[in-house]
Amino acid sequence: GAVVSQHPSWVICKSGTSVKIECRSLDFQATTMFWYRQFPKQSLMLMATSNEGSKATYEQGVEKDKFLINHASLTLSTLTVTSAHPEDSSFYICSASADTDTQYFGPGTRLTVL
Amino acid sequence: GQQLNQSPQSMFIQEGEDVSMNCTSSSIFNTWLWYKQDPGEGPVLLIALYKAGELTSNGRLTAQFGITRKDSFLNISASIPSDVGIYFCAGQAGNKLTFGGGTRVLVKP
Repeated sequence: GAVVSQHPSWVICKSGTSVKIECRSLDFQATTMFWYRQFPKQSLMLMATSNEGSKATYEQGVEKDKFLINHASLTLSTLTVTSAHPEDSSFYICSASADTDTQYFGPGTRLTVL
Repeated sequence: GQQLNQSPQSMFIQEGEDVSMNCTSSSIFNTWLWYKQDPGEGPVLLIALYKAGELTSNGRLTAQFGITRKDSFLNISASIPSDVGIYFCAGQAGNKLTFGGGTRVLVKP
């Protein structure tokens, strides 16, 4: 149980375009979902926390207009990187949590912006 | 902000060896977690620690939560090739996780 999926697993896009990444909890209802970013050989950094049906809470230094997060249902959250640039290239990982505060991580999405 | 200092940053293991890594924090955490991440994948939870001083095992893995709630160590006994990967500690406060910098475990050539 407690499986989280992400789609796509990898994506390559041109600079200036927008990319949407999906995070789904497959066998449980996630009241809270989290988005992390991980640069090569670095740790996971929390970008934002989203609760179903409400606006996401962004960490300091993360541009909310650039990284749009939607948590429209208890099993789906999306992260849209708008007007992507090469410096946005990274590994994006989501996690999902029910009421227990335990976070279950997805497999990650590798974004490369050319 | 909160920071977790994890050491060593990397280590080489030989099959059968015991290895150890630790994390320290300037802040107190309610829960301390250890994860393993393989290349190109998300982190997988290994051990969760909830009480100060708690010592918990999961197979060949043993972890302890420091008495002050500001540190933890992870031991891997009798290492095997599949232990290679990156190990992260994480402190949890409320529903937020703060990750350490990671320990990269590699196999001795």
